Amino acid sequence: RKEVEQDPGPFNVPEGATVAFNCTYSNSASQSFFWYRQDCRKEPKLLMSVYSSGNEDGRFTAQLNRASQYISLLIRDSKLSDSATYLCVVNPTSGTYKYIFGTGTRLKVLA
Amino acid sequence: NAGVTQTPKFRVLKTGQSMTLLCAQDMNHEYMYWYRQDPGMGLRLIHYSVGEGTTAKGEVPDGYNVSRLKKQNFLLGLESAAPSQTSVYFCASSANRANYGYTFGSGTRLTVV
Repeated sequence: RKEVEQDPGPFNVPEGATVAFNCTYSNSASQSFFWYRQDCRKEPKLLMSVYSSGNEDGRFTAQLNRASQYISLLIRDSKLSDSATYLCVVNPTSGTYKYIFGTGTRLKVLA
Repeated sequence: NAGVTQTPKFRVLKTGQSMTLLCAQDMNHEYMYWYRQDPGMGLRLIHYSVGEGTTAKGEVPDGYNVSRLKKQNFLLGLESAAPSQTSVYFCASSANRANYGYTFGSGTRLTVV
């Protein structure tokens, strides 16, 4: 089993739709969780951290389910500019900050 | 606000040639990393450093060497390039505290022919 697993997609959704991605992780002791966004041929950029109680940033909501070992990202009112690959990132141990990256879920928002 | 700067952005090497990729950060981050990204494989850690003068192996270190003589710089060397090292290389840095994400450089596209 991979340490971090994501559905590669692509998820094709119309503008204005709500879309959700899940990501599962194998190490129950994992400490930190993030969602990154990567545009084609660009570097990954931090979208948001994922906190135990769940957190929201505008149209984006991230949640953590430690019991089932997954994190999720919900995007409301999708924009064309949201088209990108979304990477799930997990820090499997404390103190080392060697994050494990998922292979990403590709999102295409269609006009 | 430069953040993390990588040079060069593109390079074509012949098999057996050597080169050094430079990563520089101006955020006073303790940790620095080198990743490679290949289609379908995601980001894989090559080497990392937890401070000036220290380096450690990541997931795929073979064929690469690194040095961190100054806190702001992290160099990745390929002594004898192979076609399997054709990839996009990303440098990243972070502070040494929980829930602190990585800042990435813009990447180096390397082709070995």
